[in-house]
Amino acid sequence: QKEVEQDPGPLSVPEGAIVSLNCTYSNSAFQYFMWYRQYSRKGPELLMYTYSSGNKEDGRFTAQVDKSSKYISLFIRDSQPSDSATYLCAMTLTGGGNKLTFGTGTQLKVEL
Amino acid sequence: GAVVSQHPSRVICKSGTSVKIECRSLDFQATTMFWYRQFPKQSLMLMATSNEGSKATYEQGVEKDKFLINHASLTLSTLTVTSAHPEDSSFYICSAPDRGLSGNTIYFGEGSWLTVV
Repeated sequence: QKEVEQDPGPLSVPEGAIVSLNCTYSNSAFQYFMWYRQYSRKGPELLMYTYSSGNKEDGRFTAQVDKSSKYISLFIRDSQPSDSATYLCAMTLTGGGNKLTFGTGTQLKVEL
Repeated sequence: GAVVSQHPSRVICKSGTSVKIECRSLDFQATTMFWYRQFPKQSLMLMATSNEGSKATYEQGVEKDKFLINHASLTLSTLTVTSAHPEDSSFYICSAPDRGLSGNTIYFGEGSWLTVV
């Protein structure tokens, strides 16, 4: 079993839809959680960073962490074609030296 | 926000030659940087942790003599692919943690495409 599981997709939605991206993890020692967006042939771009259970909102993006269920989500409201990319969840251990453990990434396509 | 810059973004080299890729943190200092490799449609694979002023830590299966890492200053780490072969062709990405007031956030460079012909 991988430490971090993420549905690879591809996920295709119409413009304006609400998108839900999810990751589960097995190691309860993970304490910091991040979501990255990666466009084709580019480096990952940090979207959200959270370290406590609950919701964190930034514009159209909401990151949700449920440590008791070892489950994190990223919601995208009013999705746009420019949101089409691969979304990677990542997490680190407390005192883990910032070494990221990634999900496999979910490929999202937002269609006109 | 914090920015991590990589150079070159694309490089083509002949088999048997060496290629150097630079990773710079532009507005923060990074005692640690990370080098990843990514194959098409796959997630990032951590190759090594670059430590300022000391030796890099390599992940299992990564040849340290093949992938030389030097972290010469608090804002610069370099990855040198020595005696490159076509199978080394890949997307190489670095990252660096910014230990700001909000805690550690990890930023990535734009990536470097290496093609060995």
